Amino acid sequence: DVKVTQSSRYLVKRTGEKVFLECVQDMDHENMFWYRQDPGLGLRLIYFSYDVKMKEKGDIPEGYSVSREKKERFSLILESASTNQTSMYLCASSPGFGPQHFGDGTRLSIL
Amino acid sequence: DAKTTQPTSMDCAEGRAANLPCNHSTISGNEYVYWYRQIHSQGPQYIIHGLKNNETNEMASLIITEDRKSSTLILPHATLRDTAVYYCIVRRGGRDDKIIFGKGTRLHILP
Repeated sequence: DVKVTQSSRYLVKRTGEKVFLECVQDMDHENMFWYRQDPGLGLRLIYFSYDVKMKEKGDIPEGYSVSREKKERFSLILESASTNQTSMYLCASSPGFGPQHFGDGTRLSIL
Repeated sequence: DAKTTQPTSMDCAEGRAANLPCNHSTISGNEYVYWYRQIHSQGPQYIIHGLKNNETNEMASLIITEDRKSSTLILPHATLRDTAVYYCIVRRGGRDDKIIFGKGTRLHILP
């Protein structure tokens, strides 16, 4: 079975902090994705990566950055956390043209 | 990506087959039908996908009509743990093909 592991299920941070969300997949997938999911807004793509050290902006990259130093790991960074970044963050991975598999999500609260 | 239409909610008795319909009348020839589900407070779970032939795996069966304008997801023996929101989407696949969920069908499995 595909396993996508996100480092935390719940996280509370303060405004202005630099926040790191980690994601690891164990299936040697080329593609990795970061989404956020908010009530009424559905799933929105923040960034994705199709290879080590490669990254592409999604629909809402502002206020975020990403890092992919190893194939299995994709990190999302909130440079200076703000309250409007309170959300459920979902990481996903996929092989070249296959289905995306999601982690269990990190529910992030910014106070 | 083509738009999909699903019923807002459905009930099914435990142990019976749950049949979830989806309309995708504007699907293109190179688009696949994918099904995901999301149990409360968890990440979306990939279930199954297909292009034009019927598909079956350990979780479910996918029946796609010959004209590909609609499909049905079948959970053969529903259990209480199948209570979730089920999303039908159509997508080309590929590394830059983001997932966009509609409102989905809220499936209630009744004891």
